[in-house]
Amino acid sequence: NAGVTQTPKFRVLKTGQSMTLLCAQDMNHEYMYWYRQDPGMGLRLIHYSVGEGTTAKGEVPDGYNVSRLKKQNFLLGLESAAPSQTSVYFCASSQDSRNQPQHFGDGTRLSIL
Amino acid sequence: AQKVTQAQTEISVVEKEDVTLDCVYETRDTTYYLFWYKQPPSGELVFLIRRNSFDEQNEISGRYSWNFQKSTSSFNFTITASQVVDSAVYFCALSDPMDTGRRALTFGSGTRLQVQP
Repeated sequence: NAGVTQTPKFRVLKTGQSMTLLCAQDMNHEYMYWYRQDPGMGLRLIHYSVGEGTTAKGEVPDGYNVSRLKKQNFLLGLESAAPSQTSVYFCASSQDSRNQPQHFGDGTRLSIL
Repeated sequence: AQKVTQAQTEISVVEKEDVTLDCVYETRDTTYYLFWYKQPPSGELVFLIRRNSFDEQNEISGRYSWNFQKSTSSFNFTITASQVVDSAVYFCALSDPMDTGRRALTFGSGTRLQVQP
């Protein structure tokens, strides 16, 4: 019973490099989200998806792109990494209902040098 | 404006003490949902409780209890007889307004609880 799985768990990049974070969920959830967590700021929404083939911007989308080609997967891309993107990234999924809790992955710790 | 405020950045208590974590929220919705999550030192986010705005009954689960007061827009979390294993960062979160269609959450900045043995 995996729930939400994020890969990789840790990564160090140099400024200007690109990479993709993968999120996979096995609960058949419609909604998926990418958040970033920075010290003293809680979690902030980067992008989200309300279903396969759809994506939309959250509060802090600049510098990121996403894709939801399959219902179970939600990819977060950094085209040209910047030190300001050093953060812990969490993926989450939920059922199609406002009162359902979001299920989170274990997070990806990303450092940009 | 949609906002969640956790004014207590860090709390330190000695084991067996009771501790209350405060959460104050702002929303334009009349129906909304509030959540608490725990983030232990290992880093994952663990769902603790969900409360809807039309049910103001307080809830108790073992040593945990939650006090929801719509009149003061607060949803406070109390741990009774704290234990070292309760040491974590605790987040309060609020559901997105209905008209956004996002189903995302607005998080507070978190309260770090340290329980000393």
